[in-house]
Amino acid sequence: DAGITQSPRYKITETGRQVTLMCHQTWSHSYMFWYRQDLGHGLRLIYYSAAADITDKGEVPDGYVVSRSKTENFPLTLESATRSQTSVYFCASNSLSGGLDEQYFGPGTRLTVT
Amino acid sequence: DQQVKQNSPSLSVQEGRISILNCDYTNSMFDYFLWYKKYPAEGPTFLISISSIKDKNEDGRFTVFLNKSAKHLSLHIVPSQPGDSAVYFCAASPTGNQFYFGTGTSLTVIP
Repeated sequence: DAGITQSPRYKITETGRQVTLMCHQTWSHSYMFWYRQDLGHGLRLIYYSAAADITDKGEVPDGYVVSRSKTENFPLTLESATRSQTSVYFCASNSLSGGLDEQYFGPGTRLTVT
Repeated sequence: DQQVKQNSPSLSVQEGRISILNCDYTNSMFDYFLWYKKYPAEGPTFLISISSIKDKNEDGRFTVFLNKSAKHLSLHIVPSQPGDSAVYFCAASPTGNQFYFGTGTSLTVIP
């Protein structure tokens, strides 16, 4: 499928478990991003990546790990899930390196940590 | 600390009337601003943007106004249509890559 996809769309996991959320884009965009959406906070940036093997922290990186071995994939891992990480997670990408460009968002993954 | 604020969580407007959504920011380094629209169970989609060198940008029924001295931007939708009912997020960036989003305003357009 063309565009940006996320999997799974819904996930329930237990506290302490490791879980990985997948993000895949077909545009060869250089930049990719992970956000979480919570009531009262809007969208907050967790991590972003400027290119393969280049990642950087956003506003709320604690408890998350990312990697980017290939341009098209940007997985987000919760190494030991906590209830505070229950949220909707969005992946996004954009094309211009340092330029002004809108971000294109995936459909989101709703994660519940019990 | 929230650098981008949308102080109205919700707004209801009659079909055909103007919808005005507001956004305030605190960081004077922000120089690029966007509005996104989000339907339930979908990702946000880009609506319109403005850079700090402009004070107005128009795209069809959507116009964004930027007041840099007040650190305020607004989105005007004229005329409002029922399909415009969604959550609207404003976002700001100092670099064009790392964006800070507001908390969103839920717009309901009443037929």
